[in-house]
Amino acid sequence: SQQGEEDPQALSIQEGENATMNCSYKTSINNLQWYRQNSGRGLVHLILIRSNEREKHSGRLRVTLDTSKKSSSLLITASRAADTASYFCATDRVGYSTLTFGKGTMLLVSP
Amino acid sequence: NAGVTQTPKFRVLKTGQSMTLLCAQDMNHEYMYWYRQDPGMGLRLIHYSVGEGTTAKGEVPDGYNVSRLKKQNFLLGLESAAPSQTSVYFCASRRQGFGSGSDEQYFGPGTRLTVT
Repeated sequence: SQQGEEDPQALSIQEGENATMNCSYKTSINNLQWYRQNSGRGLVHLILIRSNEREKHSGRLRVTLDTSKKSSSLLITASRAADTASYFCATDRVGYSTLTFGKGTMLLVSP
Repeated sequence: NAGVTQTPKFRVLKTGQSMTLLCAQDMNHEYMYWYRQDPGMGLRLIHYSVGEGTTAKGEVPDGYNVSRLKKQNFLLGLESAAPSQTSVYFCASRRQGFGSGSDEQYFGPGTRLTVT
């Protein structure tokens, strides 16, 4: 079963707007990661947040983690058309040696 | 560095045929993974390896076999292809086990397989 579930499944915004995607998970984690996938390509790692961290920034990306609610959010500020892609959260669960990916959020940024 | 490469990029098989997908990484990573990606299903782990000579089953291993004879290569085999195995297959690698570090996974470009 999927550990991480992204919400919404699809998001359509205009350039310059902010995009927020959410991820919920079920069991204890060591860290949570976000990946981006451009159409027809492999996934690319964006950012990792550990279970003892609450917020992390990288350029226009901001990730939050609430372990009490078992949820994370990815905020992309000042979106660009080039941000159009699918975004996946992946959890590193305690006691496991593999990542578990959610089904992804498809983001469309229109010029 | 080429990173993670996959061969072939595209393949069409008839039901019952066999094939092998090759994944190669030049980053000296210990861990390697094979995933399949289907519309609306996200990524599902087929098999993985934590080092040369080791393999382990993932979430959807049935119908697939793997081998890790060399550290840099991870092969995925389909002995008797079925239409349900039509999918995009991704290989990934990373430096060390999760839980003790913070290493990201590096993905290959994918292999698009169609079984008719």
